[in-house]
Amino acid sequence: GAVVSQHPSRVICKSGTSVKIECRSLDFQATTMFWYRQFPKQSLMLMATSNEGSKATYEQGVEKDKFLINHASLTLSTLTVTSAHPEDSSFYICSASPGQGNTDTQYFGPGTRLTVL
Amino acid sequence: SQKIEQNSEALNIQEGKTATLTCNYTNYSPAYLQWYRQDPGRGPVFLLLIRENEKEKRKERLKVTFDTTLKQSLFHITASQPADSATYLCALGAAGGGNKLTFGTGTQLKVEL
Repeated sequence: GAVVSQHPSRVICKSGTSVKIECRSLDFQATTMFWYRQFPKQSLMLMATSNEGSKATYEQGVEKDKFLINHASLTLSTLTVTSAHPEDSSFYICSASPGQGNTDTQYFGPGTRLTVL
Repeated sequence: SQKIEQNSEALNIQEGKTATLTCNYTNYSPAYLQWYRQDPGRGPVFLLLIRENEKEKRKERLKVTFDTTLKQSLFHITASQPADSATYLCALGAAGGGNKLTFGTGTQLKVEL
């Protein structure tokens, strides 16, 4: 149980284009989803927290107009990297939290490797 | 500012030995602490959670201790196996933090035959 999927697993795009990454909780409803970014040999850095049906809360230094987050349902959140540039190349990981008495646990997706040429 | 430190150098141990990884933190009062395993190119996998009022937690070959006075957690893997080779991350969560986690940089463990 508690499986989180991400799609795509890997994407290569040209500079200036937009890329959408999907995060799905497959066997539970996620009241909260989190988006992280991880550069090589560095830790996971939280980008934003999204709650279903409300606007995402972004961490300091993360541009909300560049990283658009939509949490349209209890099982799906999307991250769109708009006008991507080479410095946006990174490993993007989502996690989902069931809430409802199990609020301390996050289940992570397998990650999406984004390469911007 | 908040800081979470894990050994940046890889830890190499022989199969069968106990691996001990350290997580130290400053300027933080976590309500709970979690340990995750991360394999290359993959997302983290949850291992154990320990709360601020708990001293020790065990799960099969894993043991976690939490010392809020020293601001330190130790993560032990007993009878280590080559399959345990991975990067291990500690993550701290604050009370009322809405499940937000702050991660350490991780320690790479290599278990050799």
